[in-house]
Amino acid sequence: EIVLTQSPATLSLSPGERATLSCRASQSVSSFLAWYQHKPGQAPRLLIYDASNRATGIPARFSGSGSGTDFTLTISSLEPEDFAVYYCQQRSNWPPVSFTFGPGTKVDIK
Amino acid sequence: EVQLVESGGGLIQPGGSLRLSCAASGFTVSSNYMSWVRQAPGKGLEWVSVIYSGGTTDYADSVKGRFTISRDNSKNTVYFQVTSLRDEDTAVYYCAREHRTGADYWGQGTLVTVSS
Repeated sequence: EIVLTQSPATLSLSPGERATLSCRASQSVSSFLAWYQHKPGQAPRLLIYDASNRATGIPARFSGSGSGTDFTLTISSLEPEDFAVYYCQQRSNWPPVSFTFGPGTKVDIK
Repeated sequence: EVQLVESGGGLIQPGGSLRLSCAASGFTVSSNYMSWVRQAPGKGLEWVSVIYSGGTTDYADSVKGRFTISRDNSKNTVYFQVTSLRDEDTAVYYCAREHRTGADYWGQGTLVTVSS
């Protein structure tokens, strides 16, 4: 089973700063990786799919990169509404099928 | 407008069963992959099941054999039959529409609390 590891667990930054979040897979997932933003009491929000494609309506300050086992989500300049938990998720289509999430990175205000 | 509305959650004793519903509008569930994802209190997101457009299904090991995903095309609704519930199944359960390698629309979630 593919396991995702996210680092750091918590990122303390100020508005306007750049955020760089990492997601590493235990084996290659090609580009089958997505990133989500999740705030308390809300549904998760898809930010990036296929590792580097922004979802509809997502601001250009969010970007994704990587393939294989190492992936990065970058927020170029943090806005107040960006402080949240971010999850990566992989799609494994070969047995055992799994759409597992990473443990998350919390981006909080410094 | 795409919308997903979950219902059916509640307080249930260990060993009990519930049927969660996810009513969709603005698109056709049978033409899409649909997933259930849960979040236990204080924990992260956990994918639990998917139903593919062709009707086949997959499950996380943690729920395999206990939970069943299905859909009613005439009602454009996805269901999640959860049985043999355990304390660790307590969570908010979300349904989501899959798009490429991400889930682009989510419901607001329904809370399942397993407690005696």
